[in-house]
Amino acid sequence: ETGVTQSPTHLIKTRGQQVTLRCSSQSGHNTVSWYQQALGQGPQFIFQYYREEENGRGNFPPRFSGLQFPNYSSELNVNALELDDSALYLCASSWRAGAYEQYFGPGTRLTVT
Amino acid sequence: GNSVTQMEGPVTLSEEAFLTINCTYTATGYPSLFWYVQYPGEGLQLLLKATKADDKGSNKGFEATYRKETTSFHLEKGSVQVSDSAVYFCALSDQGQGGSEKLVFGKGTKLTVNP
Repeated sequence: ETGVTQSPTHLIKTRGQQVTLRCSSQSGHNTVSWYQQALGQGPQFIFQYYREEENGRGNFPPRFSGLQFPNYSSELNVNALELDDSALYLCASSWRAGAYEQYFGPGTRLTVT
Repeated sequence: GNSVTQMEGPVTLSEEAFLTINCTYTATGYPSLFWYVQYPGEGLQLLLKATKADDKGSNKGFEATYRKETTSFHLEKGSVQVSDSAVYFCALSDQGQGGSEKLVFGKGTKLTVNP
């Protein structure tokens, strides 16, 4: 059984740029959630995708957007990067929306300078 | 909205000491409760869970009991090891629009176990 994978591991961007982060869900899972974890804080929910549609969203502006593909992998896109977007971005997969257990990938560390 | 309050860290213990990390929650309804662990440089791993009142979750010597009357889900381990050094997050499930199920996390408690 393949776990959740994310790419890239690290990246550095400049304020105002755009970034795309990628996530492959665990085998058999059809729901992907994205979280932002600032340094020293707990993860904050960005949004969730189920069957290729956004299924719920946290308190993040529209410049945070996503996609889910037919194979249930997902992308997180952030436009017009701000310094405060520097964080660890975690992807979690689960079986169907409404599932209780979410399994996390190792995260992508984004630094905005 | 739903929220989780965790014991402030950091916590430093000697090997074989008893561990308690307090977690209380505020929620409408009856959420599922979780403890996740994050080792340095890694993502979160599910440690244990409880889905209803009085349920006890357990894994790798860690335990936590879902207490509805005190809205608590404290994490305990009878004898910690150096390898338990990590950050521990308490979380609850929060059902949102469209049937989505997000996790709401506490701020985390860093545990260091010394030999």
